[in-house]
Amino acid sequence: AQRVTQPEKLLSVFKGAPVELKCNYSYSGSPELFWYVQYSRQRLQLLLRHISRESIKGFTADLNKGETSFHLKKPFAQEEDSAMYYCALTLNSGYSTLTFGKGTMLLVSP
Amino acid sequence: EAGVAQSPRYKIIEKRQSVAFWCNPISGHATLYWYQQILGQGPKLLIQFQNNGVVDDSQLPKDRFSAERLKGVDSTLKIQPAKLEDSAVYLCASSLSSGSGNTIYFGEGSWLTVV
Repeated sequence: AQRVTQPEKLLSVFKGAPVELKCNYSYSGSPELFWYVQYSRQRLQLLLRHISRESIKGFTADLNKGETSFHLKKPFAQEEDSAMYYCALTLNSGYSTLTFGKGTMLLVSP
Repeated sequence: EAGVAQSPRYKIIEKRQSVAFWCNPISGHATLYWYQQILGQGPKLLIQFQNNGVVDDSQLPKDRFSAERLKGVDSTLKIQPAKLEDSAVYLCASSLSSGSGNTIYFGEGSWLTVV
C-alpha cells in the first residue's frame, strides 16, 4: 500500500530564511505528488502538483524518483507562509484518491 | 464560485448516539469524497462517489458508518452508533471528475466530538 511520510511535525524559521518541508513516499508504481496547504481558519487547498512543474507563492517541489521524495522549498520565507502543509499522492489511474501525510506546521517568525 | 458546503460545522454527542453530516459539492462536480481527519493526522479517505455510485469505500467502517449520494449531488454521512475514536473532522471534497488530473476542492469540515 502507498504511504506518505512527513518527518517533521513542526518547522520554525525566521522571515527571510530558506524553507524545506520534507516528504517521502512509498509506492511501487508512478504516483502523482501534491502539496496541500491549510492556513489558519481556512479550508485545505491545493498548493502545487508535481506534473505542473510550477512555482506557486514562491514554493517549488521536485519529484525525485530515486529518493522517492517530493520536498517543498522556498528560498525566502514570509510570515504569511505560516500554515499546515500536507504532502499527498494519488495513484496514476482513472479512479484515484489522495493519500496524505500527517502534515508539517510551518511557523515563520518576524 | 461557491465552494463545498458542509453542515453542521460542530457537533458534540455522547458515545452510542448517532450523527449525520451533510455536504453540497461545487455545482457540476461529479466526484464527491468524504475524508476523516483525526487530530494530528492527515485526512484519510472514507468514501468516494462518482455521481451517485460508490467508487471506493474500502476504508469506511461499514458496521457504523454509512454514506449516500442518492441524486448524485449532495451527500450525507452517518455514524451510528458513535464511538469515542470517531472524534475527528469530517471533510467533504469534490472534483469535476475522478482521475488524478482533477483538482480536489475541500469544504471547511464538520468537527465531531464524541464524549
